[in-house]
Amino acid sequence: GGIITQTPKFLIGQEGQKLTLKCQQNFNHDTMYWYRQDSGKGLRLIYYSITENDLQKGDLSEGYDASREKKSSFSLTVTSAQKNEMAVFLCASNGPNYAEQFFGPGTRLTVL
Amino acid sequence: GQQVQQSPASLVLQEGENAELQCNFSTSLNSMQWFYQRPGGSLVSLFYNPSGTKQSGRLTSTTVIKERRSSLHISSSQTTDSGTYLCALASSFSKLVFGQGTSLSVVP
Repeated sequence: GGIITQTPKFLIGQEGQKLTLKCQQNFNHDTMYWYRQDSGKGLRLIYYSITENDLQKGDLSEGYDASREKKSSFSLTVTSAQKNEMAVFLCASNGPNYAEQFFGPGTRLTVL
Repeated sequence: GQQVQQSPASLVLQEGENAELQCNFSTSLNSMQWFYQRPGGSLVSLFYNPSGTKQSGRLTSTTVIKERRSSLHISSSQTTDSGTYLCALASSFSKLVFGQGTSLSVVP
């Protein structure tokens, strides 16, 4: 078994501020993901990474940057926080060949 | 159009009743997962079921690729089953595409 941890659990920022969310996994999975979940809606993919130092844009990448400096960690940066970006950000990982995906507990973003 | 459609959007059950949640997809499928989410909670994987039928306790998942559908059956519902159920499929690579979810409320 393994676990995915996300920090911080709650993130409060000012409009226009640059904010960073972090994710760590100890599954030894190659692929990691960042999803955004808006209230009452499904999840949308922001960025994913298939190995260390790899980055691939998802459907919602505008306004975000990502970084995969180690196999076990994947960071997401909101480049200029906006009020309409208030949501829960979920990190996930999986092994190869369309394997089961596991999710972290999420970071709830509030923009003042 | 939407690649993954879930139904119903919401459902209210009396405790003890059964429920069938549906997920229809319009694209090819390489994996299918069902998740459970409490309000404010994370996603808990219930089933990883690209094809066939899997059972875990009171939950059964059936995926029929030819008919482009997957279902989640909950038997003898309990109040603790309340929450949102999400299906998600991966067609290309492992990127999951999620349905909009079914909000389930089980009342005593």
